[in-house]
Amino acid sequence: ETGVTQTPRHLVMGMTNKKSLKCEQHLGHNAMYWYKQSAKKPLELMFVYSLEERVENNSVPSRFSPECPNSSHLFLHLHTLQPEDSALYLCASRVTGENTEAFFGQGTRLTVV
Amino acid sequence: GQNIDQPTEMTATEGAIVQINCTYQTSGFNGLFWYQQHAGEAPTFLSYNVLDGLEEKGRFSSFLSRSKGYSYLLLKELQMKDSASYLCAVLDSNYQLIWGAGTKLIIKP
Repeated sequence: ETGVTQTPRHLVMGMTNKKSLKCEQHLGHNAMYWYKQSAKKPLELMFVYSLEERVENNSVPSRFSPECPNSSHLFLHLHTLQPEDSALYLCASRVTGENTEAFFGQGTRLTVV
Repeated sequence: GQNIDQPTEMTATEGAIVQINCTYQTSGFNGLFWYQQHAGEAPTFLSYNVLDGLEEKGRFSSFLSRSKGYSYLLLKELQMKDSASYLCAVLDSNYQLIWGAGTKLIIKP
């Protein structure tokens, strides 16, 4: 248990579905992250929320839409995904601007069929 | 561009010692992290180096040379449970984490 909770752990969705991933932390961190982890590739940073403001990665397709209603919760809304979006999606949190480690959730294993 | 290189996969024997290398080229440097990730699980923090030298923590040690853009993670007295991926990450000048692809370590009896 790292203090960061992600749900669901596994998700299978069709290309026309809409679903959301949820992340929650109560570590008092002020930055939250969405990462995509594909096999044999570095962790790909998708979105960062720092002090509840979004720092957007422009290379992320619009079919991924983040939401950060408060400093403890982060969502990733998914719609009209493609099979190549199948991956492990990891949420992390840390204290921004400091030399501190990131704490990760267990991830959501997403399969797009 | 920013780049972090690690070997893709390594194999070692139970009870032995293994060294996992990481080289980096980043815009600024505010420290280097090592994480362990078992299959299907969250990455967990192992070590942090910001000054040159060796940091020892039990069976695991981490070394940093800032002038060479180089770090290694040393695992001693390997156990089967050490089979995992090991991720190297650098904190750049904007305090953003830049990640390597990870090294999959396979431990054989």
